[in-house]
Amino acid sequence: DAGVTQSPTHLIKTRGQQVTLRCSPKSGHDTVSWYQQALGQGPQFIFQYYEEEERQRGNFPDRFSGHQFPNYSSELNVNALLLGDSALYLCASSGPGGNSPLHFGNGTRLTVT
Amino acid sequence: EDQVTQSPEALRLQEGESSSLNCSYTVSGLRGLFWYRQDPGKGPEFLFTLYSAGEEKEKERLKATLTKKESFLHITAPKPEDSATYLCAVQARTGANNLFFGTGTRLTVIP
Repeated sequence: DAGVTQSPTHLIKTRGQQVTLRCSPKSGHDTVSWYQQALGQGPQFIFQYYEEEERQRGNFPDRFSGHQFPNYSSELNVNALLLGDSALYLCASSGPGGNSPLHFGNGTRLTVT
Repeated sequence: EDQVTQSPEALRLQEGESSSLNCSYTVSGLRGLFWYRQDPGKGPEFLFTLYSAGEEKEKERLKATLTKKESFLHITAPKPEDSATYLCAVQARTGANNLFFGTGTRLTVIP
């Protein structure tokens, strides 16, 4: 049973560019959340997708956007990259029910130069 | 505002030396408190969910407990493979679905 898979694993971009990160949830999960983890910090919530709609959003600017597809997979897009966007981007999925724990992928390491 | 404070920031233990990690939290109605383990270069791995004060959960050498203000992760007779960063997170009852994480405790177990 495959867990949460993310691609690519590493990415290097230049300031001002745009990036798309991809996530496939764990089998049986229908909700996808995205988190940003800076070095030495805990993950910070970006947004959550359910039934192809953004259900909740954290304190991140509109440069961060996302999408969920009918097969529950998801994308995170970041426009106009800043140096401060360098971080580990984690995707997490959860199943039906409000108390289903989040299962995380291994993340995409984004470096902005 | 939700707040999670973990202590200590880093902990070095000899193999077999038991200890506890602390997670103090402030949240507007707790729906759940979560413990995760994170290895370098990996995503967080789910360990436990605790829902109410007095609740305890165990898994191998780990035991998590919860009070109204804090949670402890007790590590009994740790082994080098227990070395990792342990993250605590809270989920509020106020309709929010996201987890609010602390900055973690980096545990090193020396053989």
